[in-house]
Amino acid sequence: AIQLTQSPSSLSASVGDRVIITCRASQGISSALAWYQQKPGEAPNLLIYDASDLESGVPSRFSGSGSGTDYTLTISSLQPEDFATYYCQQFKRFPFTFGPGTKVDIK
Amino acid sequence: EVQLVESGGVLVQPGRSLRLSCAASGFTFDDYAMHWVRQAPGKGLEWVSGITWNSGSTGYAVSVKGRFTISRDNAKNSLYLQMTSLRAEDTALYYCAKDLVFRIYNLNDGRAFDNWGQGTMVTVSS
Repeated sequence: AIQLTQSPSSLSASVGDRVIITCRASQGISSALAWYQQKPGEAPNLLIYDASDLESGVPSRFSGSGSGTDYTLTISSLQPEDFATYYCQQFKRFPFTFGPGTKVDIK
Repeated sequence: EVQLVESGGVLVQPGRSLRLSCAASGFTFDDYAMHWVRQAPGKGLEWVSGITWNSGSTGYAVSVKGRFTISRDNAKNSLYLQMTSLRAEDTALYYCAKDLVFRIYNLNDGRAFDNWGQGTMVTVSS
């Protein structure tokens, strides 16, 4: 199975900060990567698919990039509603593994 | 508006069976692959199983293969997960999720899960 690691596992940031979360795959996944946001008590919400395509309705402060084994999710200016846990997921091959998550909380 | 409503989660003893259901509305159910994803209390997300729009292809996580069976009834706009030989480690919130891509014939052609239900809790304990 393709393993995904995320870094950092958690971070503290302030409103307005630029935040970058990294997802690394154990083998190349050809940009077959999605990013989700999950708030406590809620289901995950799709942010990005195909590594860099913004899901409809998602604010443009979210962006994704990367290729091969290394991918990033960037929040250009952190907003109060962005404090949450973020997960990456690969779609290159079964099983569709998730990363362990990155928790973003308030500094 | 897309709605996915899971049901069937309960407290069940180890070794027993359980069937989860997911009722879909707000989109053409038989055009999309569907998936089950679970989340153990305080833990991350784990993909469990998926099925294409026409039930032609299914897939399972190694942890559930041989014990869980995914199915769907397009006439009833419903997705199911039959769970047998349940273990304590199957304790989790089970989400139903819709695939982003229209009419894939191979689950490997999926690209993301664009709609999720609120989940149904399965607790396996004696």
